[in-house]
Amino acid sequence: EVQLLESGGGLRQPGGSLRLSCAASGFTFSTYPMSWVRQAPGKGLEWVSGISYSGESTYYADSVTGRFTISRDNFNNTLSLQMDSLRAEDTAVYYCAKYPRSGWYYFEDWGQGTLVTVSS
Amino acid sequence: QSALTQPASVSGSPGQSITISCTGTSSDVGRYNYVSWYQQHPGKAPKLMIYDVSNRPSGVSNRFSGSKSGNTASLTISGLQAEDEADYYCSSHTGSNTLELFGGGTRLTVL
Repeated sequence: EVQLLESGGGLRQPGGSLRLSCAASGFTFSTYPMSWVRQAPGKGLEWVSGISYSGESTYYADSVTGRFTISRDNFNNTLSLQMDSLRAEDTAVYYCAKYPRSGWYYFEDWGQGTLVTVSS
Repeated sequence: QSALTQPASVSGSPGQSITISCTGTSSDVGRYNYVSWYQQHPGKAPKLMIYDVSNRPSGVSNRFSGSKSGNTASLTISGLQAEDEADYYCSSHTGSNTLELFGGGTRLTVL
């Protein structure tokens, strides 16, 4: 059974930093592209970032480019999102999501999410 | 890139069918057969219901079906049941650095 367990959320002031992690199990993590998707309170889903199975290719939404960095550790089956220069509009539940092995086409599995709150 | 366009809400009675539309552009929905649909109940993570326009993952009821015409994709739920009441989101691959676009979401109410 695929399991994706996010952690690292919390309260930060604007301009601060936070690092999210997603522990993956139940599948061969190193062979799947992965992604982060967020959902602001009461709002819709927003794709944030994606990373290839090897970690060589990374992609970002315009809203986070230059501030967020996605990475992965295929030895420890962990996906990460380093979030710097946080803004109030980054407040959201952040989901770790697994693409199919075939590519960046849809999200097969989702974690339960971790809440990030940016407020002074 | 703007979010895909979905109606804010739809409703139907048990047993009826409803259709949710998802309108994009020739750069996303119209260009790729990589439209997917997600169901989200309050306080829960999204769940994949349809992928590649019209394919159902294992375990998803055949009451859920998807289609696409031009720049608009659609999700149809037939034989509405109370447990179908949820938010539904469409998504499309874009081929740009912004890999995916979501729709704004549609709240389905089962009357």
